[in-house]
Amino acid sequence: GQQLNQSPQSMFIQEGEDVSMNCTSSSIFNTWLWYKQDPGEGPVLLIALYKAGELTSNGRLTAQFGTTRKDSFLNISASIPSDVGIYFCAGQLGAGNNRKLIWGLGTSLAVNP
Amino acid sequence: DTAVSQTPKYLVTQMGNDKSIKCEQNLGHDTMYWYKQDSKKFLKIMFSYNNKELIINETVPNRFSPKSPDKAHLNLHINSLELGDSAVYFCASSQEVVVNTGELFFGEGSRLTVL
Repeated sequence: GQQLNQSPQSMFIQEGEDVSMNCTSSSIFNTWLWYKQDPGEGPVLLIALYKAGELTSNGRLTAQFGTTRKDSFLNISASIPSDVGIYFCAGQLGAGNNRKLIWGLGTSLAVNP
Repeated sequence: DTAVSQTPKYLVTQMGNDKSIKCEQNLGHDTMYWYKQDSKKFLKIMFSYNNKELIINETVPNRFSPKSPDKAHLNLHINSLELGDSAVYFCASSQEVVVNTGELFFGEGSRLTVL
């Protein structure tokens, strides 16, 4: 089946540092999504990307939809303690009832104040 | 108001028991899901319902039976619980018809522990 390779698996950084994580696949996606899961909560959407090459920012977060439609990255600038959590990428295939979301395995982020 | 709410939040039970987890969404979405998150934090889709009809059933044992009485509710019933069923179960919803942004709205999760 389709798989998403998300890396790194975990990161431990100092407050103020920039963070970068990415997802790659052998499949072509029509949408890339980045979610964050806080401890004890469900994932929440951070950024959605709908076009190849699209670069989108949300505050300190920036994500890009790769031009080959097989990869995406998420950058977090000037990290703060509340950035702690698990970040998931998800790629969407198909549409309507045939829509399928493929999830990455997550990047666990720890921030040292 | 909580958009996607699931109950109970915690469930501890013995092997062999039957249990249910309930989910309700007040977003007016037409599609609901159940996901299982294991100890390694991998999110695995179990079921997807669109307007009360089963769309996705991802090789889940038939001990797991979803029930959707209306499009705002999707409950999960589990028979003959096994140790490997211990996980956090997330309900989610999305709007598929007319506008499809790809966004899923998740509940807070129900942590099931089977002893």
